[in-house]
Formats: sequence, structure tokens, C-alpha cells
Amino acid sequence: GAVVSQHPSWVICKSGTSVKIECRSLDFQATTMFWYRQFPKQSLMLMATSNEGSKATYEQGVEKDKFLINHASLTLSTLTVTSAHPEDSSFYICRTSGSSYNEQFFGPGTRLTVL
Amino acid sequence: QQQVKQSPQSLIVQKGGISIINCAYENTAFDYFPWYQQFPGKGPALLIAIRPDVSEKKEGRFTISFNKSAKQFSLHIMDSQPGDSATYFCAASIGSGNTGKLIFGQGTTLQVKP
Repeated sequence: GAVVSQHPSWVICKSGTSVKIECRSLDFQATTMFWYRQFPKQSLMLMATSNEGSKATYEQGVEKDKFLINHASLTLSTLTVTSAHPEDSSFYICRTSGSSYNEQFFGPGTRLTVL
Repeated sequence: QQQVKQSPQSLIVQKGGISIINCAYENTAFDYFPWYQQFPGKGPALLIAIRPDVSEKKEGRFTISFNKSAKQFSLHIMDSQPGDSATYFCAASIGSGNTGKLIFGQGTTLQVKP
């Protein structure tokens, strides 16, 4: 069964609203979570890395005030897209990383469409 | 330095044939090289991975060949099947544990014709 879940799996919102995406590790403690964005027919681009209880580290060019990441527990990380605009429409995917080599899994992704 | 270059962008193979996808990297500090398979609308799934201390790893129909001196690695899919039709990504990272930040290649769309 799935070891990482994302909610919602898809969301459509109006421009200017904020959207929260949850990523949960189901069977292990995810000490680190990575958030990726993937545009159609393109590769995965790392947005940020978060460690439980610490502030996220953002990649160059990613606005930390627009993409708020919270990693409050070892099983849950959230990505909030604030004041979303059509150019934020994308597939957002989390990846969890535990303490061992085998504890690395991608979530199923969340399709965000901003009208 | 942080890039991973993947080719070809797309690949069409007949059922039963061999699919070969290549990747190259620059950063010699990379120490973990996974391949992922992604179906439309789904997250990537780990297929097979290799560390630079071995030159080849095989799991079922999937084989990674690794050339450390050339800084290249490739995925071979033997006896390709229509169900293998998907997008494949190579990746590289420094540290595969909880500090492993994956850098992805551009992706290869594989179509296996019946």
C-alpha cells in the first residue's frame, strides 16, 4: 500500500486564493520532506527542503513568502500556495525521506489549477 | 555542476526490444543515482538505483550501467512491454539518506509499441 499520501489529489481555485496541500508519511517517520513542482511534460524541480521542526530551505528563485512550508511533525508537511495565480498551476509532489536508505518515497502528487 | 543531462527526450521501441536511456553528470560528489518511472498524473516511483562503487546493477528486466570515469549512467529495459510506456527520469544526489536532495534529468518519454 501507499506509504506517502497527498491531499487533495487535485484542486481548482480562483486567482488570489490560497491553497494548502498536505503530505503525510504513513508508515515511517519522515525527518526530511522535499517539495517539487512539475509543469506538463517537464522534469521535477525542487522547490524546498524541510526538516521536522525547522524552517524550510528554499531553492534559488522560489519565493518563500508565496510557498509556505510547514513541517510540524514527523508525519506531516504542508505546502501553502498563497495568493495563487494561473502561472502557479502545476503538479506539486512531495518526497519524504526517513533515517534509512530505503525510506524515500514520492507522494502521488497534487494537481493545482488556478483559474 | 548540479545538472544531470538525460537523453533521448523520447523513445519508441517495439515490444520485446531493448530500451536504452542515458544520463550524464558533472558533479563528482554525487553518490547515489536512481531511476524513476512516472505515469501520467502520478508521482514518480523508484525503479532501481546504483552507487558509484559498482558498474552495473540488475533487477529483473531493468539494468543500470554506470561509468564513473565518463560520469555517465544508463538504464536498459530488456524485453520492453507496452506496460513500460511511461516517462523515465534519472536523478543524482549527494547522500541518499535524510539529506539526499535529488537532482533530476529532463525525462524520457518511452512508448513501447505492441
